[in-house]
Amino acid sequence: QSVLTQPPSVSGAPGQRVTISCTGSSSNIGAGYDVHWYQQLPGTAPKLLIYGNSNRPSGVPDRFSGSKSGTSASLAITGLQAEDEADYYCQSYDSSLSGLGVFGGGTKLTVL
Amino acid sequence: EVQLVESGGGLVQPGGSLRLSCAASGFTFSSYWMSWVRQAPGKGLEWVANIKQDGSEKYYVDSVKGRFTISRDNAKNSLYLQMNSLRAEDTAVYYCARSLRYSSWWYFDYWGQGTLVTVSS
Repeated sequence: QSVLTQPPSVSGAPGQRVTISCTGSSSNIGAGYDVHWYQQLPGTAPKLLIYGNSNRPSGVPDRFSGSKSGTSASLAITGLQAEDEADYYCQSYDSSLSGLGVFGGGTKLTVL
Repeated sequence: EVQLVESGGGLVQPGGSLRLSCAASGFTFSSYWMSWVRQAPGKGLEWVANIKQDGSEKYYVDSVKGRFTISRDNAKNSLYLQMNSLRAEDTAVYYCARSLRYSSWWYFDYWGQGTLVTVSS
């Protein structure tokens, strides 16, 4: 059971907008700790997508955006493309657990 | 170009040991924190350990404390993970990741391709 809760799956048609939620608690996201997002294409290593809640590293398309509010964070993908089909993970810090650096359970995005 | 190449994975019996290595290139290795992150087959990501630039600070997830040791050799641009008393639940792909501090914790901006560790009799 992950400390950060993500929906197991989301789907959308090409061109559509989808959002992936990452729900935490008062000991992680709700305490003000930052959220980072990773994309893992099938059979490959994770890739940094968003850092510090809403910042995109160089090379990441502006179709990807992140936000944070209260005890939750969200990743939005607009103009959905077939190559966006992947697993997405959020990551933050938890002050109450020995796990410290914590990940969400991951969300499988299917492009219909 | 930043490159991280892990090696050392394989099949080991429960209670056994294994040492993973990560060869870094394309950046000034000695200037960055480094981490190990693992992923059990079909499961999500789990941060395992990280180490400061000079090796003076190390952090571990509770489940590996006392069994795993993270270390580095800046002269060889290499990161290591010594894994002892291995358990079936340690079976995973282990990724080496460059780490950047952001507020209270680190995020991982570059990842290796991973090395598979299988603990089974």
